[in-house]
Amino acid sequence: AQSVTQLGSHVSVSEGALVLLRCNYSSSVPPYLFWYVQYPNQGLQLLLKYTSAATLVKGINGFEAEFKKSETSFHLTKPSAHMSDAAEYFCAVSRAAGRRALTFGSGTRLQVQP
Amino acid sequence: DAGVIQSPRHEVTEMGQEVTLRCKPISGHNSLFWYRQTMMRGLELLIYFNNNVPIDDSGMPEDRFSAKMPNASFSTLKIQPSEPRDSAVYFCASSPGGVDYEQYFGPGTRLTVT
Repeated sequence: AQSVTQLGSHVSVSEGALVLLRCNYSSSVPPYLFWYVQYPNQGLQLLLKYTSAATLVKGINGFEAEFKKSETSFHLTKPSAHMSDAAEYFCAVSRAAGRRALTFGSGTRLQVQP
Repeated sequence: DAGVIQSPRHEVTEMGQEVTLRCKPISGHNSLFWYRQTMMRGLELLIYFNNNVPIDDSGMPEDRFSAKMPNASFSTLKIQPSEPRDSAVYFCASSPGGVDYEQYFGPGTRLTVT
Protein backbone atom coordinates (compact mmCIF):
# COMPACT_ATOMS: atom_id res chain seq x y z
CA ALA A 1 0.00 0.00 0.00
CA GLN A 2 1.11 3.51 -0.69
CA SER A 3 2.07 5.72 2.24
CA VAL A 4 3.83 8.96 3.07
CA THR A 5 5.90 9.95 6.08
CA GLN A 6 6.35 13.56 7.00
CA LEU A 7 9.39 14.11 9.17
CA GLY A 8 8.79 16.71 11.83
CA SER A 9 5.33 17.56 13.05
CA HIS A 10 6.46 21.13 13.78
CA VAL A 11 8.98 23.26 11.94
CA SER A 12 9.91 26.78 12.96
CA VAL A 13 11.84 29.20 10.74
CA SER A 14 12.60 32.88 10.78
CA GLU A 15 11.01 35.19 8.27
CA GLY A 16 13.23 35.25 5.20
CA ALA A 17 14.85 31.89 5.94
CA LEU A 18 14.68 28.77 3.82
CA VAL A 19 11.67 26.53 4.34
CA LEU A 20 12.25 22.78 4.03
CA LEU A 21 9.44 20.36 4.80
CA ARG A 22 10.27 16.70 4.38
CA CYS A 23 8.16 13.97 2.84
CA ASN A 24 9.14 10.41 2.04
CA TYR A 25 6.84 8.06 0.23
CA SER A 26 6.37 4.37 -0.17
CA SER A 27 4.73 3.15 -3.33
CA SER A 28 4.70 -0.07 -5.29
CA VAL A 29 3.77 1.81 -8.45
CA PRO A 30 4.98 5.10 -9.93
CA PRO A 31 3.39 7.58 -7.58
CA TYR A 32 1.50 10.75 -8.03
CA LEU A 33 2.53 13.09 -5.20
CA PHE A 34 0.97 16.23 -3.84
CA TRP A 35 1.54 18.94 -1.30
CA TYR A 36 -1.43 20.67 0.26
CA VAL A 37 -1.59 23.60 2.67
CA GLN A 38 -4.23 24.15 5.33
CA TYR A 39 -4.73 27.51 6.97
CA PRO A 40 -6.60 27.67 10.29
CA ASN A 41 -10.28 26.79 10.01
CA GLN A 42 -10.05 26.20 6.28
CA GLY A 43 -9.98 23.28 3.90
CA LEU A 44 -6.87 22.00 2.16
CA GLN A 45 -5.52 23.89 -0.83
CA LEU A 46 -3.28 22.32 -3.44
CA LEU A 47 0.24 23.77 -3.51
CA LEU A 48 1.75 21.57 -6.21
CA LYS A 49 1.69 18.10 -7.70
CA TYR A 50 4.03 15.60 -9.34
CA THR A 51 2.49 13.38 -11.98
CA SER A 52 5.54 11.81 -13.68
CA ALA A 53 6.49 14.81 -15.77
CA ALA A 54 9.29 17.15 -14.63
CA THR A 55 10.91 16.08 -11.37
CA LEU A 56 11.18 19.67 -10.13
CA VAL A 57 7.69 20.96 -9.62
CA LYS A 58 6.82 24.58 -9.01
CA GLY A 59 3.70 25.52 -7.15
CA ILE A 60 1.87 28.50 -5.83
CA ASN A 61 3.21 31.06 -3.36
CA GLY A 62 6.84 30.42 -4.35
CA PHE A 63 6.93 26.79 -3.20
CA GLU A 64 8.58 24.00 -5.14
CA ALA A 65 9.28 20.32 -4.61
CA GLU A 66 11.67 17.84 -6.18
CA PHE A 67 10.79 14.23 -6.83
CA LYS A 68 13.77 12.01 -6.08
CA LYS A 69 13.05 8.41 -6.89
CA SER A 70 16.37 7.14 -5.52
CA GLU A 71 15.57 8.69 -2.15
CA THR A 72 11.80 8.13 -2.34
CA SER A 73 11.43 11.74 -1.32
CA PHE A 74 9.32 14.72 -2.31
CA HIS A 75 10.50 17.52 -0.04
CA LEU A 76 8.85 20.93 -0.17
CA THR A 77 11.00 24.06 -0.21
CA LYS A 78 10.68 27.81 -0.39
CA PRO A 79 13.76 30.05 -0.52
CA SER A 80 12.43 32.78 1.75
CA ALA A 81 9.69 32.30 4.34
CA HIS A 82 6.96 34.84 4.77
CA MET A 83 4.74 35.29 7.79
CA SER A 84 1.76 34.31 5.67
CA ASP A 85 3.30 30.86 5.09
CA ALA A 86 2.46 29.83 8.65
CA ALA A 87 0.05 26.92 8.22
CA GLU A 88 -0.10 23.15 8.23
CA TYR A 89 1.30 21.31 5.24
CA PHE A 90 0.31 17.85 4.08
CA CYS A 91 2.08 15.53 1.69
CA ALA A 92 -0.11 12.99 -0.13
CA VAL A 93 0.35 10.06 -2.49
CA SER A 94 -2.11 8.43 -4.82
CA ARG A 95 -3.20 5.13 -3.36
CA ALA A 96 -2.80 2.99 -6.44
CA ALA A 97 -2.43 3.23 -10.15
CA GLY A 98 -5.69 4.38 -11.63
CA ARG A 99 -7.20 5.07 -8.22
CA ARG A 100 -8.00 8.64 -7.32
CA ALA A 101 -7.99 8.24 -3.56
CA LEU A 102 -5.04 9.85 -1.80
CA THR A 103 -3.22 8.87 1.36
CA PHE A 104 -2.18 11.89 3.40
CA GLY A 105 0.72 12.27 5.74
CA SER A 106 0.26 13.39 9.31
CA GLY A 107 1.07 16.99 8.50
CA THR A 108 3.79 19.48 9.42
CA ARG A 109 2.90 22.70 11.15
CA LEU A 110 5.10 25.54 9.93
CA GLN A 111 5.70 28.45 12.26
CA VAL A 112 7.36 31.60 10.94
CA GLN A 113 9.08 33.82 13.47
CA PRO A 114 9.39 37.57 12.83
CA ASP B 1 -16.34 28.69 -9.95
CA ALA B 2 -17.90 28.40 -6.50
CA GLY B 3 -15.66 25.58 -5.35
CA VAL B 4 -16.82 22.68 -3.22
CA ILE B 5 -19.70 23.71 -1.01
CA GLN B 6 -20.39 22.10 2.34
CA SER B 7 -23.20 22.64 4.78
CA PRO B 8 -23.59 23.24 7.57
CA ARG B 9 -20.25 24.79 8.49
CA HIS B 10 -20.79 24.04 12.14
CA GLU B 11 -23.03 21.49 13.79
CA VAL B 12 -23.52 20.89 17.48
CA THR B 13 -25.72 18.00 18.45
CA GLU B 14 -26.40 15.71 21.36
CA MET B 15 -25.30 12.13 21.54
CA GLY B 16 -27.80 9.81 19.90
CA GLN B 17 -29.07 12.35 17.38
CA GLU B 18 -28.88 11.90 13.65
CA VAL B 19 -26.49 14.19 11.81
CA THR B 20 -26.47 14.84 8.06
CA LEU B 21 -23.62 16.62 6.35
CA ARG B 22 -24.03 17.86 2.81
CA CYS B 23 -21.67 18.47 -0.07
CA LYS B 24 -21.95 19.96 -3.51
CA PRO B 25 -18.89 19.14 -5.64
CA ILE B 26 -17.44 21.34 -8.33
CA SER B 27 -19.51 21.09 -11.48
CA GLY B 28 -18.04 18.62 -13.96
CA HIS B 29 -15.98 16.73 -11.39
CA ASN B 30 -16.72 13.02 -11.37
CA SER B 31 -15.04 11.90 -8.14
CA LEU B 32 -16.10 12.87 -4.63
CA PHE B 33 -14.40 12.15 -1.34
CA TRP B 34 -15.38 12.39 2.32
CA TYR B 35 -12.63 12.87 4.90
CA ARG B 36 -12.56 13.22 8.66
CA GLN B 37 -9.88 15.24 10.43
CA THR B 38 -9.05 14.93 14.12
CA MET B 39 -6.02 15.80 16.18
CA MET B 40 -5.48 12.19 17.13
CA ARG B 41 -5.96 10.49 13.77
CA GLY B 42 -5.16 13.22 11.28
CA LEU B 43 -6.91 13.23 7.92
CA GLU B 44 -8.73 9.99 7.19
CA LEU B 45 -10.51 9.03 3.98
CA LEU B 46 -13.96 7.74 4.82
CA ILE B 47 -15.41 6.97 1.40
CA TYR B 48 -15.10 8.01 -2.19
CA PHE B 49 -17.40 7.94 -5.18
CA ASN B 50 -16.64 7.84 -8.88
CA ASN B 51 -19.47 8.78 -11.22
CA ASN B 52 -21.85 8.63 -8.23
CA VAL B 53 -20.88 5.03 -7.41
CA PRO B 54 -19.12 4.23 -4.11
CA ILE B 55 -15.68 2.84 -4.94
CA ASP B 56 -14.05 2.45 -1.56
CA ASP B 57 -15.86 2.72 1.75
CA SER B 58 -13.27 0.86 3.80
CA GLY B 59 -12.65 3.98 5.84
CA MET B 60 -16.18 4.28 7.12
CA PRO B 61 -15.80 3.68 10.85
CA GLU B 62 -18.88 1.59 11.46
CA ASP B 63 -22.47 1.03 10.48
CA ARG B 64 -23.52 4.26 12.11
CA PHE B 65 -21.96 6.06 9.15
CA SER B 66 -23.51 6.06 5.71
CA ALA B 67 -22.94 8.11 2.58
CA LYS B 68 -24.94 8.63 -0.56
CA MET B 69 -24.49 10.38 -3.85
CA PRO B 70 -27.87 10.44 -5.58
CA ASN B 71 -26.60 12.58 -8.44
CA ALA B 72 -23.46 14.26 -9.72
CA SER B 73 -24.07 17.47 -7.82
CA PHE B 74 -24.92 16.31 -4.31
CA SER B 75 -23.70 13.97 -1.61
CA THR B 76 -24.57 13.36 2.02
CA LEU B 77 -22.74 11.82 4.94
CA LYS B 78 -25.04 10.66 7.70
CA ILE B 79 -24.22 9.58 11.22
CA GLN B 80 -26.96 7.82 13.14
CA PRO B 81 -26.77 7.69 16.09
CA SER B 82 -24.01 10.18 16.73
CA GLU B 83 -21.48 9.74 19.53
CA PRO B 84 -19.03 12.17 21.17
CA ARG B 85 -16.09 10.39 19.48
CA ASP B 86 -17.54 11.45 16.12
CA SER B 87 -16.61 15.04 16.92
CA ALA B 88 -14.26 16.15 14.13
CA VAL B 89 -14.02 18.30 11.05
CA TYR B 90 -15.51 16.56 8.04
CA PHE B 91 -14.25 17.56 4.62
CA CYS B 92 -15.67 16.89 1.23
CA ALA B 93 -13.42 17.04 -1.83
CA SER B 94 -13.98 16.57 -5.54
CA SER B 95 -11.69 15.68 -8.39
CA PRO B 96 -11.99 16.03 -12.15
CA GLY B 97 -11.67 13.11 -14.51
CA GLY B 98 -8.92 12.35 -16.95
CA VAL B 99 -5.32 12.40 -15.80
CA ASP B 100 -5.82 15.05 -13.16
CA TYR B 101 -5.74 13.43 -9.74
CA GLU B 102 -5.75 16.56 -7.64
CA GLN B 103 -8.56 17.05 -5.19
CA TYR B 104 -10.33 20.27 -4.37
CA PHE B 105 -11.47 20.57 -0.80
CA GLY B 106 -14.48 22.25 0.70
CA PRO B 107 -14.25 24.41 3.83
CA GLY B 108 -15.34 21.56 6.09
CA THR B 109 -18.08 20.97 8.64
CA ARG B 110 -17.04 21.14 12.27
CA LEU B 111 -19.14 18.60 14.15
CA THR B 112 -19.41 18.62 17.91
CA VAL B 113 -21.34 15.84 19.61
CA THR B 114 -22.02 16.46 23.28
